[in-house]
Amino acid sequence: EAAVTQSPRSKVAVTGGKVTLSCHQTNNHDYMYWYRQDTGHGLRLIHYSYVADSTEKGDIPDGYKASRPSQENFSLILELASLSQTAVYFCASSDGISNERLFFGHGTKLSVL
Amino acid sequence: GQQVQQSPASLVLQEGENAELQCNFSTSLNSMQWFYQRPGGSLVSLFYNPSGTKQSGRLTSTTVIKERRSSLHISSSQTTDSGTYLCAMERSGGNYKPTFGKGTSLVVHP
Repeated sequence: EAAVTQSPRSKVAVTGGKVTLSCHQTNNHDYMYWYRQDTGHGLRLIHYSYVADSTEKGDIPDGYKASRPSQENFSLILELASLSQTAVYFCASSDGISNERLFFGHGTKLSVL
Repeated sequence: GQQVQQSPASLVLQEGENAELQCNFSTSLNSMQWFYQRPGGSLVSLFYNPSGTKQSGRLTSTTVIKERRSSLHISSSQTTDSGTYLCAMERSGGNYKPTFGKGTSLVVHP
């Protein structure tokens, strides 16, 4: 079974601080995604990447940066965390071409105070 | 506007009843998936179903591409089916960035 690991599982951050969420996949997938989940909004795409050293903006990229240093690793960076960024963040990976199934990590619960 | 519309937003059943969940898409789609999520949990893929009908146990997914819709049928519901069901679509000509609906919250009472 494909594996996507997120760290940390939960985090409390202060407003204005820097937060880095990490994601590691062992699926040999080219595509990786960061989604956030809020009550009433489902999952919304923040950033995604289809090749190492390159990232693309999703539907709600403002306030977030992403980094894909290798095929296996994909980070989400909040340079100046804000209260509105309190949410659960999910990382996912996908083959993207021959098989578009998404495999998700367990999520990171971020609370910005 | 919202590209993926899920209905109903919530559903309450008595154990043993059947459920029909719907996803409608406002654009042409290349593929779609159904996911299950426990409260506070991760997402588990139920079906990757670009078109046609697929069945797994008590669950059946039917996607009709030309009508831009997909359904998930749960037969003989159980309390363990409680949770949130989400559908995600991949647009035609897109860059493999699946778009999710807001989900259907299902509660099954014993």
